[in-house]
Amino acid sequence: GAVVSQHPSWVICKSGTSVKIECRSLDFQATTMFWYRQFPKQSLMLMATSNEGSKATYEQGVEKDKFLINHASLTLSTLTVTSAHPEDSSFYICSARAGTGVVTQYFGPGTRLLVL
Amino acid sequence: DAKTTQPTSMDCAEGRAANLPCNHSTISGNEYVYWYRQIHSQGPQYIIHGLKNNETNEMASLIITEDRKSSTLILPHATLRDTAVYYCIVRLSGGGADGLTFGKGTHLIIQP
Repeated sequence: GAVVSQHPSWVICKSGTSVKIECRSLDFQATTMFWYRQFPKQSLMLMATSNEGSKATYEQGVEKDKFLINHASLTLSTLTVTSAHPEDSSFYICSARAGTGVVTQYFGPGTRLLVL
Repeated sequence: DAKTTQPTSMDCAEGRAANLPCNHSTISGNEYVYWYRQIHSQGPQYIIHGLKNNETNEMASLIITEDRKSSTLILPHATLRDTAVYYCIVRLSGGGADGLTFGKGTHLIIQP
């Protein structure tokens, strides 16, 4: 299957700082990338969808000014958690999909964020 | 997307076949059945998908009933590394622009 990487794999930061997470599709061009969040013992929740070169679409309840998403190329999307607070501590996972006729999404390994 | 129903948890002995059921009684004709799994603290891993015919790959087999209202994922020879949460997801062909909707899935525990 296709490979998606994330960096960093884990990060600890102080409250009020911003954290950037990178998501890369390594062996295919991802026209669409998705960002999910997963709290302990819960399932994945979709945060936003981004298409290369256009603005991200956010799910209801997700603050677009707090979770900045950039999808500047077909292989890279970034999620920036601005002014992070302890309640933003979570497991952030990206996925990527190639083309519009293909449904299969491939997921990155996830980034664990701990805000102190 | 059609809703799916899966058992909360299942046990299976190592080396035996693990059969994970999924009900999707409201599935429409152009919706695919997808299976992903998530091993603890990792991102979900794609396993297999199908429309109406049974499918097999190196990881698993997918059996879809003739009326398409349910399906079974089969791991033919389960190992301890197959312990994970397995998600059955129904999606339109082409997928549209939406991300996947994950339910609670089935926590499969492989016993030594």
